[in-house]
Amino acid sequence: DAGVTQSPTHLIKTRGQQVTLRCSPKSGHDTVSWYQQALGQEPQFIFQYYEEEERQRGNFPDRFSGHQFPNYSSELNVNALLLGDSALYLCASSFEETQYFGPGTRLLVL
Amino acid sequence: QKEVEQDPGPLSVPEGAIVSLNCTYSNSAFQYFMWYRQYSRKGPELLMYTYSSGNKEDGRFTAQVDKSSKYISLFIRDSQPSDSATYLCAMSAGDTGRRALTFGSGTRLQVQP
Repeated sequence: DAGVTQSPTHLIKTRGQQVTLRCSPKSGHDTVSWYQQALGQEPQFIFQYYEEEERQRGNFPDRFSGHQFPNYSSELNVNALLLGDSALYLCASSFEETQYFGPGTRLLVL
Repeated sequence: QKEVEQDPGPLSVPEGAIVSLNCTYSNSAFQYFMWYRQYSRKGPELLMYTYSSGNKEDGRFTAQVDKSSKYISLFIRDSQPSDSATYLCAMSAGDTGRRALTFGSGTRLQVQP
């Protein structure tokens, strides 16, 4: 059984560009949450999707948007990238019980 | 003030030692408690999950929750060099699958062979 998968593993962008990150949840999981983890910091909740809708949102600007597909996979989009968006972006999947994390996508904004 | 406080360490112990990691929290709504282990540049790995006060044991790991004191702990027995990682406590106000997790800042643990 494959765990949570994320793509790409690494990404380099320049300020002002847009980026899309992808996540496939564990088999049987219908909920996907996204977190941002800056270097040396704890993960911060961005938002959560289930039933293809954003259900909860953390304290992130609307430059951060997402989508969930009928197969429960999800995308995170970030527009107008800032240097401060450089971080490890983590996807977590769940089904009622607790959240299991993927390996993350490391984004560097230059 | 952060809702979840965790001693950042680093904590250095010899192989075989018992390790105690702790978090305190201020939000009474938190009802579900987790411990994750994170190796450098990797995603967090779930170690323990509990929602009631008391102890829960799984192999070398014991999670302890004291809701009256708003204090949780993770004990690691017979620590191994492979346990060297950052340990994150996390908590949520409801069923964790459908709620945002709030993390502590993480404790870096180094187990010396």
